[in-house]
Amino acid sequence: NAGVTQTPKFRVLKTGQSMTLLCAQDMNHEYMYWYRQDPGMGLRLIHYSVGEGTTAKGEVPDGYNVSRLKKQNFLLGLESAAPSQTSVYFCASSFSTGGLPYEQYFGPGTRLTVT
Amino acid sequence: AQSVTQLGSHVSVSEGALVLLRCNYSSSVPPYLFWYVQYPNQGLQLLLKYTSAATLVKGINGFEAEFKKSETSFHLTKPSAHMSDAAEYFCAVSESSGGGADGLTFGKGTHLIIQP
Repeated sequence: NAGVTQTPKFRVLKTGQSMTLLCAQDMNHEYMYWYRQDPGMGLRLIHYSVGEGTTAKGEVPDGYNVSRLKKQNFLLGLESAAPSQTSVYFCASSFSTGGLPYEQYFGPGTRLTVT
Repeated sequence: AQSVTQLGSHVSVSEGALVLLRCNYSSSVPPYLFWYVQYPNQGLQLLLKYTSAATLVKGINGFEAEFKKSETSFHLTKPSAHMSDAAEYFCAVSESSGGGADGLTFGKGTHLIIQP
């Protein structure tokens, strides 16, 4: 099992450019998440999905869009990148049984710099 | 709304000494609590979790944490620090009413430094 993988690992964008980050998981998890990590801020939830075809906003959704067309994939899009979106982006997946949350499994991260 | 406070952005201990990383939470419902560790340039790895089965939770690498409802705390401890414990540690909370599906709320993290 590869677990949670993220593509690409690094990316540099110019202000106004667009890009898509890809997250894939092979654990058949229902839930998937996108977080951003900034120094001294911990991780903050951008968007999440509780199942194929469904997405919801997290704590910091502005400037991002997501799609979950297949259960194993969760895409994060930046339509017009801004320097404030310079960050490390983590994808995670999880599942729940009987209403009890299980831990989230994290990918290795994507380091994005917007100049 | 749930929140997590980690006291001390940096904690320094000597190798072999006790490690204590503090975490206090705020939640409107019985919480589920997690500790994650992040080594440099890596993703997050679960250390341990509290899901109401037992208040003292043992995790990997010799870490444990105790859930204290009266103090709204979930502090992480390890009796004897090792150089390999140097990393960033995050406490996180999930409100049980959502089944955990709506994501975790993380603290800002504590950087653990081990002095030789």
